[in-house]
Amino acid sequence: DAGITQSPRHKVTETGTPVTLRCHQTENHRYMYWYRQDPGHGLRLIHYSYGVKDTDKGEVSDGYSVSRSKTEDFLLTLESATSSQTSVYFCAISETGTVNTEAFFGQGTRLTVV
Amino acid sequence: DQQVKQNSPSLSVQEGRISILNCDYTNSMFDYFLWYKKYPAEGPTFLISISSIKDKNEDGRFTVFLNKSAKHLSLHIVPSQPGDSAVYFCAADNTDKLIFGTGTRLQVFP
Repeated sequence: DAGITQSPRHKVTETGTPVTLRCHQTENHRYMYWYRQDPGHGLRLIHYSYGVKDTDKGEVSDGYSVSRSKTEDFLLTLESATSSQTSVYFCAISETGTVNTEAFFGQGTRLTVV
Repeated sequence: DQQVKQNSPSLSVQEGRISILNCDYTNSMFDYFLWYKKYPAEGPTFLISISSIKDKNEDGRFTVFLNKSAKHLSLHIVPSQPGDSAVYFCAADNTDKLIFGTGTRLQVFP
């Protein structure tokens, strides 16, 4: 299995509080991604990174920010959590982007905003 | 606008029979497609992929077919086993990122 660790695995937070999710990889892969999974929507890309300090938005980036100061860590921050951000969040990594290769996923973080 | 669509949210198949999961896409520039399998409380795991230069790719019990003119791909599982019960996502490579469909929940019963 690819070395991807997401933390925390579960979190309950209150509306309006900031939340940071962490993704840590030991594969030295260049690309890292944050997805959220919701019923009826599948997996939707929030943000991704193509190198240290290089990030870009995905299709559902509003309300989220990311940072990547080291190859191995990719942080997802909800600046002020809302109930609509209750979801399961997955981090993924890829060695060369997705050009004819697959991405590997972490175990997920279940976030509940109350 | 959903660029990758899985129109069947669920599928139920008897053990030993064939499972066929379908996926449609709208962007003709997509040239690499993947299928992922997801069990509850786990992350998605890669299953099989296909490049647009091929129309078929096979790996054991799993075969993916690509029809570029119809912008359609399908995953065939033969024979289906109870352990195949999971949610299956198709995905398309969109320049350094994957665009996923909404998933199909496959249940294989004895």
